[in-house]
Amino acid sequence: AQSVTQLDSHVSVSEGTPVLLRCNYSSSYSPSLFWYVQHPNKGLQLLLKYTSAATLVKGINGFEAEFKKSETSFHLTKPSAHMSDAAEYFCVVSDAGFQKLVFGTGTRLLVSP
Amino acid sequence: DTGVSQDPRHKITKRGQNVTFRCDPISEHNRLYWYRQTLGQGPEFLTYFQNEAQLEKSRLLSDRFSAERPKGSFSTLEIQRTEQGDSAMYLCASSLVVSLGGYEQYFGPGTRLTVT
Repeated sequence: AQSVTQLDSHVSVSEGTPVLLRCNYSSSYSPSLFWYVQHPNKGLQLLLKYTSAATLVKGINGFEAEFKKSETSFHLTKPSAHMSDAAEYFCVVSDAGFQKLVFGTGTRLLVSP
Repeated sequence: DTGVSQDPRHKITKRGQNVTFRCDPISEHNRLYWYRQTLGQGPEFLTYFQNEAQLEKSRLLSDRFSAERPKGSFSTLEIQRTEQGDSAMYLCASSLVVSLGGYEQYFGPGTRLTVT
């Protein structure tokens, strides 16, 4: 079965510093991976997706993620954090037939001035 | 706004009562999904529809839960004889699945259910 592990439940950064949110995946086939963001009282928004094309994926709001098969990782990064980035971030893997998404437990990103 | 909409946004009910939630997907999307999210956890898959056909149900979906998608448009999720453990955010998502991709799921704002 597919699964993802988000290695940090909380990450705190200062505004203007880099962001790194870590995710490892487990899959018996070549996976499709996603990062979603959830702001308080807002719906889940897709940040970016990897579906076996380029291993470095660029998303919205300056986020990007790199698929590393050898490390079974799909970490999310951003060069410079903004206050508006404070939210819950979910690493997600899709099952083989794209019938459903399997979510990690989430990482709460805190951004201080 | 042409995104996924859900109604109601909040529902408070007493244990033992029945509740029904509605989801309106993005209009051209052929797949519709239901997920449940409890506090501090990521969403968990409940069920999905391809057009009007319900193709998969999670074992999380007990006999008290039923979902429909008549005519392949909006969907309803009904919970009978609610229990306190049903308290959660119920999320709906839709996607347009075609042979060459387009598998992103777009989520609605959710319905927060509180069972007292």
